[in-house]
Amino acid sequence: GAGVSQSPSNKVTEKGKDVELRCDPISGHTALYWYRQRLGQGLEFLIYFQGNSAPDKSGLPSDRFSAERTGESVSTLTIQRTQQEDSAVYLCASSPDGIDTEAFFGQGTRLTVV
Amino acid sequence: AQSVSQHNHHVILSEAASLELGCNYSYGGTVNLFWYVQYPGQHLQLLLKYFSGDPLVKGIKGFEAEFIKSKFSFNLRKPSVQWSDTAEYFCAVNPAGTYKYIFGTGTRLKVLA
Repeated sequence: GAGVSQSPSNKVTEKGKDVELRCDPISGHTALYWYRQRLGQGLEFLIYFQGNSAPDKSGLPSDRFSAERTGESVSTLTIQRTQQEDSAVYLCASSPDGIDTEAFFGQGTRLTVV
Repeated sequence: AQSVSQHNHHVILSEAASLELGCNYSYGGTVNLFWYVQYPGQHLQLLLKYFSGDPLVKGIKGFEAEFIKSKFSFNLRKPSVQWSDTAEYFCAVNPAGTYKYIFGTGTRLKVLA
């Protein structure tokens, strides 16, 4: 596609439920990132993919969070047993190869845990 | 640890006022630098970028930024803001040769018509 696409745009879930967030990167981009943006705060790095491997998962806040990527395509971020503190906007970005280039962002998924 | 500081969290200006948003980073090596903007209801988009060469970088919509290596700064400027510049602005640093992007906490700019 023309840009990074994320779905759903908004998700309201009950505490304790699992959620899956999807990211479609720009075609041909090998690097893919997930960030979290809590209200009034900056972008918090979660995970980086190069192709379908994740050399850096250091930002995942707990073992309730996991992510996978199919080849150089779609990525899903899964949050198990959601908690209220998981409420945030989850942003996905992609770049051609992740090195010395700009990152292109999706519109984000706003997750609200009630 | 590598970090990016944006000291102005909220800025309110009248139309036609001049704008300068501060960005300082902590990293001793070569860096690539970015300013991203997020207009209300829209996704983050690139405003301008610096990789090498002239430290004064011009971006879209009349914005510019100056890289001052000795000060570890990359401040964003615009001589005359418009109401449509109301948005949140993020500075980001990418240590050269790495995949990491480190973002500042953002500055919310409100321009009064």
